[in-house]
Amino acid sequence: NAGVTQTPKFQVLKTGQSMTLQCAQDMNHEYMSWYRQDPGMGLRLIHYSVGAGITDQGEVPNGYNVSRSTTEDFPLRLLSAAPSQTSVYFCASSRSGRNTDTQYFGPGTRLTVL
Amino acid sequence: QQQVKQSPQSLIVQKGGISIINCAYENTAFDYFPWYQQFPGKGPALLIAIRPDVSEKKEGRFTISFNKSAKQFSLHIMDSQPGDSATYFCAARAAGRGSTLGRLYFGRGTQLTVWP
Repeated sequence: NAGVTQTPKFQVLKTGQSMTLQCAQDMNHEYMSWYRQDPGMGLRLIHYSVGAGITDQGEVPNGYNVSRSTTEDFPLRLLSAAPSQTSVYFCASSRSGRNTDTQYFGPGTRLTVL
Repeated sequence: QQQVKQSPQSLIVQKGGISIINCAYENTAFDYFPWYQQFPGKGPALLIAIRPDVSEKKEGRFTISFNKSAKQFSLHIMDSQPGDSATYFCAARAAGRGSTLGRLYFGRGTQLTVWP
């Protein structure tokens, strides 16, 4: 089991560029989520999904889009990058419903927007 | 509005000492309270967790104390070691219906440094 994988590990963008952060899991988890981590701010939820075809917004969704066409993949799209999106992004997955006892996190993507 | 408040922001403890991190929550609809540990350059990983029907859970040197009436819970690390130096996050899981079920709300984290 590879667990939760994220690509790329590092990325530098210019303001206005777009890109997709990839996330995949091989544990057949239904629940997947994206967080951003900024110094002193903890982990803030961007978007999450309770299953293929179902997504919902977290607390900081502006500037980000997601889709969930398969159980395994949950990409995060930045449509027009801004310096405020400089952060470390983590993808996580867990079993669905009341059995979401453990969220498994990926290794993160460190994004810098100039 | 921050759902889970964590303190202190940073903590320095000598080797062998006790590290204590505190969290408080407002929403009574939380049903599961995990603690995550994060080392530099890595993703957070589940350390220990507790449900609100028990007041304490111990796993090795790590103990969670839970006070349901006060809506507070804390992590105690006994005999702290340099290898425990990491960032610790408390969290609370939503027990609501529909798509909010299972959503985790995190505290802002505590950076623990254990001096040898």
